[in-house]
Amino acid sequence: AQSVAQPEDQVNVAEGNPLTVKCTYSVSGNPYLFWYVQYPNRGLQFLLKYITGDNLVKGSYGFEAEFNKSQTSFHLKKPSALVSDSALYFCAVRAFEGRYSTLTFGKGTMLLVSP
Amino acid sequence: EAQVTQNPRYLITVTGKKLTVTCSQNMNHEYMSWYRQDPGLGLRQIYYSMNVEVTDKGDVPEGYKVSRKEKRNFPLILESPSPNQTSLYFCASTPGTGRNYGYTFGSGTRLTVV
Repeated sequence: AQSVAQPEDQVNVAEGNPLTVKCTYSVSGNPYLFWYVQYPNRGLQFLLKYITGDNLVKGSYGFEAEFNKSQTSFHLKKPSALVSDSALYFCAVRAFEGRYSTLTFGKGTMLLVSP
Repeated sequence: EAQVTQNPRYLITVTGKKLTVTCSQNMNHEYMSWYRQDPGLGLRQIYYSMNVEVTDKGDVPEGYKVSRKEKRNFPLILESPSPNQTSLYFCASTPGTGRNYGYTFGSGTRLTVV
């Protein structure tokens, strides 16, 4: 069965500093990886995805993610954090199980950016 | 606007009183799914549907029912709610089973069972 691990419950960073939110995955076959963000009292918003090709994926709001197959990781990054980036971030993997595919989420990482 | 619409946004109910949370999407997506979000547990899939009249259990289906009589609607039914079903629920849809498809999520339904 596929799984996603987000080892940090919370990440704290000062505004203007680079940020990294970690994600590792386990899946049979090739992974399709996603990052979603959840702002308070809102639904989940798509940030970016890795399907194939370049290991560095660029997404919305200046975020990017680096796919590392040997380390089975898909860490989310941003060169310069903003206070408005403070939110709950979810990593997810999609793979086939039997006839159907499903999206499996990590437990989420709260990102807090201080002014 | 392409979207997934859930209703209600907030619901407080009593143990044992049947309730339905509605979900509708206007993107002609084949695949729909229900998740519940709990602190420290992330999102866990309750049920999913591949197409009309095709549904299957996710990771935490106990205490829930679903139906898919029309492509655009995928209601979540709690026949006899219990306090452990207090949670934040999300409906999501995606065009199909291709792994490169992301999901579009509704705004969520916060359910409290007392």
